[in-house]
Amino acid sequence: QSALTQPASVSGSPGQSITISCTGTSSDVGSYNLVSWYQQHPVKAPKLMIYEVSKRPSGVSDRFSGSKSGNTASLTISGLQAEDEADYYCCAYAGGSTPYVFGTGTKVTVL
Amino acid sequence: QVQLQESGPGLVKPSETLSLTCTVSGGSMTTYNWNWIRQPPGKGLEWIGYFYYSGGTNYNPSLKSRVTISVDMSQNQFSLKLSSVTAADTAVYYCARATDNFDYWGQGTLVTVSS
Repeated sequence: QSALTQPASVSGSPGQSITISCTGTSSDVGSYNLVSWYQQHPVKAPKLMIYEVSKRPSGVSDRFSGSKSGNTASLTISGLQAEDEADYYCCAYAGGSTPYVFGTGTKVTVL
Repeated sequence: QVQLQESGPGLVKPSETLSLTCTVSGGSMTTYNWNWIRQPPGKGLEWIGYFYYSGGTNYNPSLKSRVTISVDMSQNQFSLKLSSVTAADTAVYYCARATDNFDYWGQGTLVTVSS
């Protein structure tokens, strides 16, 4: 199972919206509505931001939203803030012998 | 609030076995699967495997021949053993609770493989 493809970097100015894509295949992203997104600040553990494509855990800002179309999932951050600067990873639950497949990661820079 | 904490040696010699333990507090180990995930310095996340509370395991095929994950429910702990390590196994190792997503993570522990 290959890693899901994400852009290496995305940037935006404070207050803007940015979208990070996560492209897989019909065997992972396209199979189930079980894509999750994680935010990772330097030397910190990843934090769950979105699960099951578009659901937000309690405590996560509603500036974060998720969607999926076919084999591509997306994370949108609206009203970009300095604290959003971090690495973001998608993950698809695919079941089988490799149930979890992570994306390659995207570095978000707030200009 | 569920908390996970990794523990184990930070330095392992090449060809030896890496051993880590994750202690779970604030919740039961039933219902979920209990995972190990690693992140080489400057690189992305790699799922290693999990132990399911009913007793099953599932390992990343790329590591399967070298990985064992076991659990001690009485101690609320689960463990990772990775044999025949090389420098390529140097990484921050995380333990995490999961269903279809990883909702709780440990802080991670850096394991360096070096003589």
